[in-house]
Amino acid sequence: SAVISQKPSRDICQRGTSLTIQCQVDSQVTMMFWYRQQPGQSLTLIATANQGSEATYESGFVIDKFPISRPNLTFSTLTVSNMSPEDSSIYLCSVGGVDTQYFGPGTRLTVL
Amino acid sequence: RKEVEQDPGPFNVPEGATVAFNCTYSNSASQSFFWYRQDCRKEPKLLMSVYSSGNEDGRFTAQLNRASQYISLLIRDSKLSDSATYLCVVKRGSYIPTFGRGTSLIVHP
Repeated sequence: SAVISQKPSRDICQRGTSLTIQCQVDSQVTMMFWYRQQPGQSLTLIATANQGSEATYESGFVIDKFPISRPNLTFSTLTVSNMSPEDSSIYLCSVGGVDTQYFGPGTRLTVL
Repeated sequence: RKEVEQDPGPFNVPEGATVAFNCTYSNSASQSFFWYRQDCRKEPKLLMSVYSSGNEDGRFTAQLNRASQYISLLIRDSKLSDSATYLCVVKRGSYIPTFGRGTSLIVHP
């Protein structure tokens, strides 16, 4: 199993600002995933972060809006840039292999 | 067509009832299948994997039908604590999971 922590757990931000979310895993993992879960919706994959290479973004998500860092095998950050109220969501960090997926507790973001 | 589709519900059942959820997936190359449970304001947690031969864990039974591209979850003898959202998860390749929007279950006394 993997234990994942995220910071901050929640934040309220003004539109136009940026927020960086940190994800720490208690073991080394090759792939880390960033998801968004908007109110009443399921999880949508934003990007896959691999250590030592650029993140791979899913359709509808771009690096300028959601830059990701992956400096080592236990840590990643996701930045939500130039925020608007539509970015209000829960952002979840995840790691996993073939058989399972573990999630961080999520960062609840509200943009005013 | 969405890659993974679920009936969002809610399914509202009395304690002790049997309830079944289905999930369909569009990518025939999908390799791994799971059911996750998500409680309100919490992160998703693995409930069970779904194997081609079907698998059972206590009151929960999961089945996979590759020909029709759907998976199912059966919950017997529902408990109040089963109230949650159940997410169907399909993995393409070995590592990239795709989530359904979830099916809400409400078990009432």
